[in-house]
Amino acid sequence: QVQLQESGPGLVKPSETLSLTCTVSGGSISSYYWSWIRQPAGKGLEWIGRIYSSARANYNPSLKSRVTMSVVTSNNQFSLKLSSVTAADTAVYYCARDLVGTAGAYYFDSWGPGTLVTVSS
Amino acid sequence: SYELTQPPSVSVSPGQTARITCSGDALPKKFAYWYQQKSGQAPVLVIYEDNKRPSGIPERFSGSSSGTMATLTLSGAQVEDEADYYCYSTDSSGNLWVFGGGTKLTVL
Repeated sequence: QVQLQESGPGLVKPSETLSLTCTVSGGSISSYYWSWIRQPAGKGLEWIGRIYSSARANYNPSLKSRVTMSVVTSNNQFSLKLSSVTAADTAVYYCARDLVGTAGAYYFDSWGPGTLVTVSS
Repeated sequence: SYELTQPPSVSVSPGQTARITCSGDALPKKFAYWYQQKSGQAPVLVIYEDNKRPSGIPERFSGSSSGTMATLTLSGAQVEDEADYYCYSTDSSGNLWVFGGGTKLTVL
């Protein structure tokens, strides 16, 4: 059973870059797609982006200009960087594993527990 | 942009059938997925590809899709099913993946 765990600073200053890492255990990071999703307190879920390898990433257009994802296969980790953050980026950030189903559709079958990131000075 | 629309809340008594809808323009050609999120927890997949149930999900959970609307049905809802439910799908291009706004299911 694959397990995911997010890690990174819980507090980021406005205009700085949010950086999170997801460590995958119980399975290889290779041959799967991996996503980041976030959820502001009391609000709904927002898909941030998806990565297969550092050369194959797909980002939410609303965040694309500020998002970078990468994979470190040797460490079984993938990461998220979100630049120029504001208070609106305060949220619980989840990492998740994507499965590719029928007709190439993606869906999440495993999630990390989530980590709260607060943007504040 | 692309949106999936869900009712904010649905309420049923224990043992009744709860139906949660999700509407989106691309749903006639794209699959719908459903996630259950209990308070303070990560979401859990309960239905994938419109109507398939992952292993470990009770049979009372079922899904269907017709035209621009997908529906999650809980037949004989139980108190333990109280949670927020989110539909998830993609736009016609397949590049933007979105969640619906979520539906709070109350069973009491």
